[in-house]
Amino acid sequence: SQQGEEDPQALSIQEGENATMNCSYKTSINNLQWYRQNSGRGLVHLILIRSNEREKHSGRLRVTLDTSKKSSSLLITASRAADTASYFCALRTQGGSEKLVFGKGTKLTVNP
Amino acid sequence: DGGITQSPKYLFRKEGQNVTLSCEQNLNHDAMYWYRQDPGQGLRLIYYSQIVNDFQKGDIAEGYSVSREKKESFPLTVTSAQKNPTAFYLCASGAGTLSGNTIYFGEGSWLTVV
Repeated sequence: SQQGEEDPQALSIQEGENATMNCSYKTSINNLQWYRQNSGRGLVHLILIRSNEREKHSGRLRVTLDTSKKSSSLLITASRAADTASYFCALRTQGGSEKLVFGKGTKLTVNP
Repeated sequence: DGGITQSPKYLFRKEGQNVTLSCEQNLNHDAMYWYRQDPGQGLRLIYYSQIVNDFQKGDIAEGYSVSREKKESFPLTVTSAQKNPTAFYLCASGAGTLSGNTIYFGEGSWLTVV
């Protein structure tokens, strides 16, 4: 399968705590992206990390990529209730295709 | 405002009918995509188009059809051949390789078969 697999499927934490989500994959990638989806809405792009990068930051988000283990993690620090959403990793696989392949997502609940 | 507009937001279809979901973008993107999302599930690619007058099947194209006559528009028709069409449909667009394939989504259309 070309899609990523997120872990855990669901995560419930308290406001102020950090949330970590993982994405594992089996194929070779050009880049890996993380998206967020609020319930019943479209997805919003969060961050893109290329295959030659190991870590990227954006505000309270930190993404790591380990191509030897074929895995990535998304860390949200100091979580807020507004971070409650589903988070998806998406792979752009090597081979020149313009398409992105999405995983099934991690549903994050941040309790006030 | 720039963005992707999907319509309608909610659509009910009787079995045996074809329905068309609209997707328009004013971001000047070359690539456009249609994904299907079932409750609690991830996104599955139906069709994508990298350029006007050209499109490719995704992973679950059976029972769907598309056209790309204009850069701004990528309508999806859900035909009566689609066995289980009730789902949330998401349209997206992207600038292609130069952007690393970051794509931007519309707000989605809910289709229910009654």
